[in-house]
Amino acid sequence: DVKVTQSSRYLVKRTGEKVFLECVQDMDHENMFWYRQDPGLGLRLIYFSYDVKMKEKGDIPEGYSVSREKKERFSLILESASTNQTSMYLCASSLKDTIYFGEGSWLTVV
Amino acid sequence: GNSVTQMEGPVTLSEEAFLTINCTYTATGYPSLFWYVQYPGEGLQLLLKATKADDKGSNKGFEATYRKETTSFHLEKGSVQVSDSAVYFCALPYGGSQGNLIFGKGTKLSVKP
Repeated sequence: DVKVTQSSRYLVKRTGEKVFLECVQDMDHENMFWYRQDPGLGLRLIYFSYDVKMKEKGDIPEGYSVSREKKERFSLILESASTNQTSMYLCASSLKDTIYFGEGSWLTVV
Repeated sequence: GNSVTQMEGPVTLSEEAFLTINCTYTATGYPSLFWYVQYPGEGLQLLLKATKADDKGSNKGFEATYRKETTSFHLEKGSVQVSDSAVYFCALPYGGSQGNLIFGKGTKLSVKP
């Protein structure tokens, strides 16, 4: 079975903190993605990566960065968390044109 | 570029009712089309897909047919259950080579016993 694992399901962080969201896939997929999901706005792509150490900006990269040091791991970094980054974050990986998602990380910034 | 439009919800049905969620798309060529489902508190799961025109994707009693004439991929189920309550997303490839998908806004389905 396909497995995308996000390390934290629920986090509460303070404004200004640096936040790391970790994601691991066990399928040897080349492509990995970070989305955020907000009511009424659907899924929006933050960053994606198509190879180790490669990254591309998605639709809403501002305030975020990513790291992909190993093929199976893709990290999302909030350099200085703000309340408008309170959201559900979804990691995914893909084989050809089919995307597989993790269970999501609910981040609240207070 | 490619785009997708799906009907807004929420949709509320009684158990055993017939379900249709409309999805239309704009695309270059004939890309694969997808339906994803998100159960409460979880990530998205692939529900079904169709890879070419006139293909029918099916899974868990849900079906969707790839209609190139009407550029549609409507999701249907003959008899919904309470356990089908979820948010449903229509999707198609972004158009690049990185395997990204464009998702519709999602349609929330609630099934009452």
